[in-house]
Amino acid sequence: AQTVTQSQPEMSVQEAETVTLSCTYDTSESDYYLFWYKQPPSRQMILVIRQEAYKQQNATENRFSVNFQKAAKSFSLKISDSQLGDAAMYFCAYRSNGANSKLTFGKGITLSVRP
Amino acid sequence: KAGVTQTPRYLIKTRGQQVTLSCSPISGHRSVSWYQQTPGQGLQFLFEYFSETQRNKGNFPGRFSGRQFSNSRSEMNVSTLELGDSALYLCASSLDGAYYEQYFGPGTRLTVT
Repeated sequence: AQTVTQSQPEMSVQEAETVTLSCTYDTSESDYYLFWYKQPPSRQMILVIRQEAYKQQNATENRFSVNFQKAAKSFSLKISDSQLGDAAMYFCAYRSNGANSKLTFGKGITLSVRP
Repeated sequence: KAGVTQTPRYLIKTRGQQVTLSCSPISGHRSVSWYQQTPGQGLQFLFEYFSETQRNKGNFPGRFSGRQFSNSRSEMNVSTLELGDSALYLCASSLDGAYYEQYFGPGTRLTVT
């Protein structure tokens, strides 16, 4: 079974600084997708960034980028120029490209941003 | 485009009762997934429906069930409620395929007393 591990329950970053959130996963599949979702306090969960396993190039979305290490099964999220609005719970998630696959989430990490 | 909506937003029930939660997906999305979110267990997958058929199921007891209607709206039902069922229940809709992002609703906060 696929598992996703986020070992840091909480992190804090100074506004305008850079922070990296860690995630590791375990799978025997070769074709899959990895996601980072953001859940702001009392607001809906939204997708931050997506990585396709067959693409070697790391995905980027404005201030958000990932470090995808397929052999190490590691998928970290880097947030540059942190803003107060980045404060949220961040979930790493995995989904294989097989039929009837499901999205498997890590336990999440609470990120606080200090002004 | 309207987002995913869930009703009710908050619910208080007593042990032993049953509850039905509703989810209306984004127009055009035929895949609807349900998740249970608790502080201790995080986000756990309940089930996924696609075109009125349950396509995948998580590791939950049979007290948890769901269905999907022809307009893609979905309901989940929990019978014989237990205190441990207190959680935020999230619904998400998407286009079909693992690549596509899931769009989440605001959730239904269920409290069992």
